[in-house]
Amino acid sequence: EIVLTQSPATLSLSPGERATLSCRASQSVRSFLAWYQQKPGQAPRLLIYDASNRATGIPARFSGSGSGTDFTLTISSLEPEDFAVYYCQHRANWPLTFGGGTKVEIK
Amino acid sequence: QVQLVESGGGVVQPGGSLRLSCAASGFTFSRNAMHWVRQAPGKGLEWMAVISYDGSNQFYADSVEGRFTISRDNSKNTLYLQKNSLSAEDTAVYYCAKERENHYFDHWGQGALVTVSS
Repeated sequence: EIVLTQSPATLSLSPGERATLSCRASQSVRSFLAWYQQKPGQAPRLLIYDASNRATGIPARFSGSGSGTDFTLTISSLEPEDFAVYYCQHRANWPLTFGGGTKVEIK
Repeated sequence: QVQLVESGGGVVQPGGSLRLSCAASGFTFSRNAMHWVRQAPGKGLEWMAVISYDGSNQFYADSVEGRFTISRDNSKNTLYLQKNSLSAEDTAVYYCAKERENHYFDHWGQGALVTVSS
């Protein structure tokens, strides 16, 4: 099973600031990684797939990068609605796994 | 408008069984693989199971292999998760999720809470 480790666990930032979230895989997942956003009481929403492709309707301030074992989700300028928990997920093999999440909170 | 609506959640005793359903609409259900993902209270996401578009193939997480069964009825646009031998560790919100392609999830249901407690 591939383990995804996200860091930091919590990121305290102000609106307008840049957020950089990390996801590290225990073995290479090539570019087969996605990012999701989850707000309290809601289901997750797909943001990025295959490391760097924005899903339908996702604003350009969200971008993904990386390959192999190290990946980054960047939010260029935080909007109030971006404060949430973010998860990475790989699809390199079975079982699919998620990272433990990074909470982006208002500073 | 894609909609996924889970039902069948509730309280069940340890060792008991429960079947969740997920009614799909707004897309051609029979063309998409479908998944179940769960989230324990205050915890992260855990992938549970997948079933291929025609029901011919299924894969499970080790934690539920042999206890949970994923199935689908394409004539009813409905996904199922049969859960047996439940324990407290199975307490979670269970989401059904539509596969976009290549094992990513582009639409999710609202979730069904299952509480395993005596």
